[in-house]
Amino acid sequence: EIVLTQSPGTLSLSPGERATLSCRASQSVSSSYLAWYQQKPGQAPRLLIYGASSRATGIPDRFSGSGSGTDFTLTISRLEPEDFAVYYCQQYGSPPDGTFGQGTKLEIK
Amino acid sequence: EVQLVETGGGLIQPGGSLRLSCAASGFTVSSTYMSWVRQAPGKGLEWVSVIYSGGSTYYADSVKGRFTISRDNSKNTLYLQMNSLRAEDTAVYYCARVLRYFDWLSPEQGAGYYMDVWGKGTTVTVSS
Repeated sequence: EIVLTQSPGTLSLSPGERATLSCRASQSVSSSYLAWYQQKPGQAPRLLIYGASSRATGIPDRFSGSGSGTDFTLTISRLEPEDFAVYYCQQYGSPPDGTFGQGTKLEIK
Repeated sequence: EVQLVETGGGLIQPGGSLRLSCAASGFTVSSTYMSWVRQAPGKGLEWVSVIYSGGSTYYADSVKGRFTISRDNSKNTLYLQMNSLRAEDTAVYYCARVLRYFDWLSPEQGAGYYMDVWGKGTTVTVSS
């Protein structure tokens, strides 16, 4: 079973700053399997990135994903007030095992 | 508009059963993969189950043998039958559409999946 570990657990930044969120897999993961989601309190998750680096429809270009193998990164180039939320990475391949990381909370400093 | 609406949650005693529904609009449930994901109070996301367009089903170990995913093509609705419920099944349950991703420039990476449309969720509380 692949375990995804996200770091840091909480990231405190100010609007306008750059955010770098990490997702590390316990074993190599195909980049096709890696997605990122954003979740705000009381809301369903929202797809941001799939295939490690492809932005979902309607996602601003300040969000970018990168990485391969065991290390993946979600970068938000300039934080907007609406970006403060919890972010999850997920690996979802075949046979199906849609494991999520434990999440990174991005909070306003 | 593509939309998913979950219903069927509620308070249920340990050992009881509950069936969740997820009504889809704007697309056909039978033509794509569909998943259930849950989130315990204050916790992260947990993948629960998937049903393929061909009908194959898969489950997380935590629910295998107790939960059954299915769909009714005539109603364009996804279901999750939950039996032998435990306190640890208490969560918000989301249904989601699953799409396949394949990078033709890097075929060695194989095909992956991601959830592009989510419902708002339905809350299941297992307690006596």
